[in-house]
Amino acid sequence: EIVLTQSPGTLSLSPGERATLSCRASQSVSSGYLAWYQQRPGQAPRLLIYGASNRATGIPDRFSGSGSATDFTLTISRLEPEDFAVYYCQQHGYSPMYTFGQGTKLEMK
Amino acid sequence: EVQLVESGGGLVQPGGSLRLSCAASGFTFSSYEMNWVRQAPGKGLEWVSYISSTNSGSTRYYADSVKGRFTISRDNAKNSLYLQMNSLRAEDTAVYYCAREGSYCSSTTCYEHMDVWGKGTTVTVSS
Repeated sequence: EIVLTQSPGTLSLSPGERATLSCRASQSVSSGYLAWYQQRPGQAPRLLIYGASNRATGIPDRFSGSGSATDFTLTISRLEPEDFAVYYCQQHGYSPMYTFGQGTKLEMK
Repeated sequence: EVQLVESGGGLVQPGGSLRLSCAASGFTFSSYEMNWVRQAPGKGLEWVSYISSTNSGSTRYYADSVKGRFTISRDNAKNSLYLQMNSLRAEDTAVYYCAREGSYCSSTTCYEHMDVWGKGTTVTVSS
């Protein structure tokens, strides 16, 4: 089973700053199988990035994804107030079919 | 509008059963693979189960934590996804989300992810 480890656990930043979130896999992951989700309090997760670097429909271009193999990054170039949320990376495998990282909480400083 | 709406959650005693439903609208439900994902209170996301897009739902996968207790199914005529949960345990307490599989392959790469999520239904297992 591939384990995804996200860091940091909590990131404290101010609006307008740049956020860099990391997702490290215990084994190599196909880039096509790596996705990022945003979850605001009390809401369902929302797909942000698929295939490691492709923005989902309607996602602002301040969100970008990069990386390959075992190291992936989600970058938010200029934080807006609505971006403060929990972010999860996810990979598609075979057993189990999907695994998620433990999440990074992005909080307002 | 593409939409998924879960229902059927509630309070159930340990060892009891519950059937969750997910009503799909705004897209051709029969063409999409579907998943259930859950989130325990204050915890992260955990994938629960997957079903393929064929009418018979012939391919199904489960997380080890629910294998043998949960059964995923679908009724394409009713645009609905189901999760039958038996032998429920306290650790099954969670918000359960249904999620559409947004998978496809280009000429060079295959993509696997969940592109549409419902708002969730809450299951509480407690005596």
